[in-house]
Amino acid sequence: GQNIDQPTEMTATEGAIVQINCTYQTSGFNGLFWYQQHAGEAPTFLSYNVLDGLEEKGRFSSFLSRSKGYSYLLLKELQMKDSASYLCAVIDSNYQLIWGAGTKLIIKP
Amino acid sequence: KAGVTQTPRYLIKTRGQQVTLSCSPISGHRSVSWYQQTPGQGLQFLFEYFSETQRNKGNFPGRFSGRQFSNSRSEMNVSTLELGDSALYLCASSYLAGGNNEQFFGPGTRLTVL
Repeated sequence: GQNIDQPTEMTATEGAIVQINCTYQTSGFNGLFWYQQHAGEAPTFLSYNVLDGLEEKGRFSSFLSRSKGYSYLLLKELQMKDSASYLCAVIDSNYQLIWGAGTKLIIKP
Repeated sequence: KAGVTQTPRYLIKTRGQQVTLSCSPISGHRSVSWYQQTPGQGLQFLFEYFSETQRNKGNFPGRFSGRQFSNSRSEMNVSTLELGDSALYLCASSYLAGGNNEQFFGPGTRLTVL
């Protein structure tokens, strides 16, 4: 079967750094997305990785290791508005998106 | 450019009824995907339409069906509703077909089945 694992919930402090991990076992791999979803709102695109390594975009970075079936999303200089769920999704061999259950990130002052 | 719109935003139905949800993609986008989102389950893929053709289908029973019109608007239908169908139904559009394209999500339709 296909499986995406993410922690259910994480807590961090405003101004700090947090790393959200995602491990996957899928039939094939054609890329990995991270999306952010605020409560009651639609998911919005954060990043896309298809090659190994780190992609940096402002305060957010995403890392991929295809050999380990592993990715992480790194959020720096946390702000209260970063409180949201973070969704990891893998594109399988059929170019279908397989989604993780999401990680709810709680930011405390 | 207007975003993805979904109607209605909220819906309450009873078991056994049927429901139709609508999704209008971003102008110029020809791919529309539908997802079911429930707490703790993440997004479950229902189907993807591109140029009025169903390209891909998830593991949902035949009670779930969809279609896409020539203007790329899409509808999803659920017949013989069950309590377990209560969920947030999201649609997402993209310019090209296939999961490796950035998807733009609508606000969703929250369906409650009583």
